[in-house]
Amino acid sequence: DIQMTQSPSSLSASIGDRVTITCRASQTISYSLNWYQQKPGKAPNLLIYAASSLQSGVPSRFSGSGSGTDFTLTISSLQPEDFATYFCQQSYSTPPTFGQGTNLEIK
Amino acid sequence: QVQLEQSGAEVKKPGSSVKVSCKASGVTFSTSALSWVRQAPGQGPEWMGGIASTFTTPTYAQKFQGRVTISADESTSIAYMDLSSLGFEDTAVYYCATGATRTFDSWGQGTLVTVSS
Repeated sequence: DIQMTQSPSSLSASIGDRVTITCRASQTISYSLNWYQQKPGKAPNLLIYAASSLQSGVPSRFSGSGSGTDFTLTISSLQPEDFATYFCQQSYSTPPTFGQGTNLEIK
Repeated sequence: QVQLEQSGAEVKKPGSSVKVSCKASGVTFSTSALSWVRQAPGQGPEWMGGIASTFTTPTYAQKFQGRVTISADESTSIAYMDLSSLGFEDTAVYYCATGATRTFDSWGQGTLVTVSS
């Protein structure tokens, strides 16, 4: 199975900050990387697919980049509703696997 | 708009089985890929298995092989996940999710399964 490693595991930031979360795959996955946001008690919500494509309805302050084994999720200007946990997930091969999550907290 | 409605929370004894259902609407059920993903407290999501369509054989994560059964009833647009030989480590929220090629763009609300003696 492909292992997905996120960093950092937690992050404190302020409203308006630019934030970057990284995800590394244990082997090359081309552009087959998705990002999800999850709020407490809710299901994950797809933000970015295929490394850099914005899911419909997701604000443009979210962006993704990377290929191969290294990927990033960037939030250009943090809003109050962005404080949540973020997961990366590879869609390159079965089984699809997720990172352990990055908990984004208010500073 | 795709909607996935799951069955309610369950409390089970160790060694027993649980069956969770997922009713789909707003999607062509027979040709839709559907997966089951679980999330233990404080952990990342974990894919358990899925079905590409009602015409195909389910695929299971090796970790759950022999213990999980995924099925789908096209006539009712309901998918099921049956997990047997439950242990305390199976306490988690179980989700059904749909989307193309291992990308999950619609999720059910989740079903909490608690294994307790």
